Amino acid sequence: EVQLVESGGGLVQPGGSLRLSCAASGFTFSSYWMSWVRQAPGKGLEWVANIKQDGSEKYYVDSVKGRFTISRDNAKNSLYLQMNSLRAEDTAVYYCARDPSGSYNWYFDLWGRGTLVTVSS
Amino acid sequence: NFMLTQPHSVSESPGKTVTISCTRSSGSIASNYVQWYQQRPGSSPTTVIYEDNQRPSGVPDRFSGSIDSSSNSASLTISGLKTEDEADYYCQSYDSSKENVVFGGGTKLTVL
Repeated sequence: EVQLVESGGGLVQPGGSLRLSCAASGFTFSSYWMSWVRQAPGKGLEWVANIKQDGSEKYYVDSVKGRFTISRDNAKNSLYLQMNSLRAEDTAVYYCARDPSGSYNWYFDLWGRGTLVTVSS
Repeated sequence: NFMLTQPHSVSESPGKTVTISCTRSSGSIASNYVQWYQQRPGSSPTTVIYEDNQRPSGVPDRFSGSIDSSSNSASLTISGLKTEDEADYYCQSYDSSKENVVFGGGTKLTVL
């Protein structure tokens, strides 16, 4: 089955760190750009970061630059998001998403079920 | 960089047709493809339109997408509305100047 499964969410104090993982299956993971997209409670979708097939290019939304790091392990069919210096406004469901565009016109055709990150003292 | 603006909510009756707009604040709507995602309550988003007007397999042809350069906007049209279409809909595009993905704020569709 073609799917993405996120894990690693939880409750963390402001200033803390968390590492999210996304396990891909059912498709050739190494052929796709991959992204993290988040959704704060009751709010809309916000793209967070993405990474090229071989990991050579990474892009971030301004609000997380310098705090979050996206990475991947193609041998393990896995995507990661290392989140440091977490703030209350980072509280959201974090989705892993596959980008089929194959070029610089990013969009998403496969989403995971998400993992909830709550930043609170 | 640009923003995508959607109406906060729309409502229509079953069997009718509804159109949701997505207006680009600067730059041409035709510069980068527009996608549309459906998100039912408690679920992850799914793609209903990609590359302006393409439907993924499995999406009924009741869903269609278009762009209008005169209004610098994209539209999602759903015909023959069903109660199962009730969801939040998001437009999305790519900002090549900032190398970012841009989402619209979302439109809540109520089918009543």
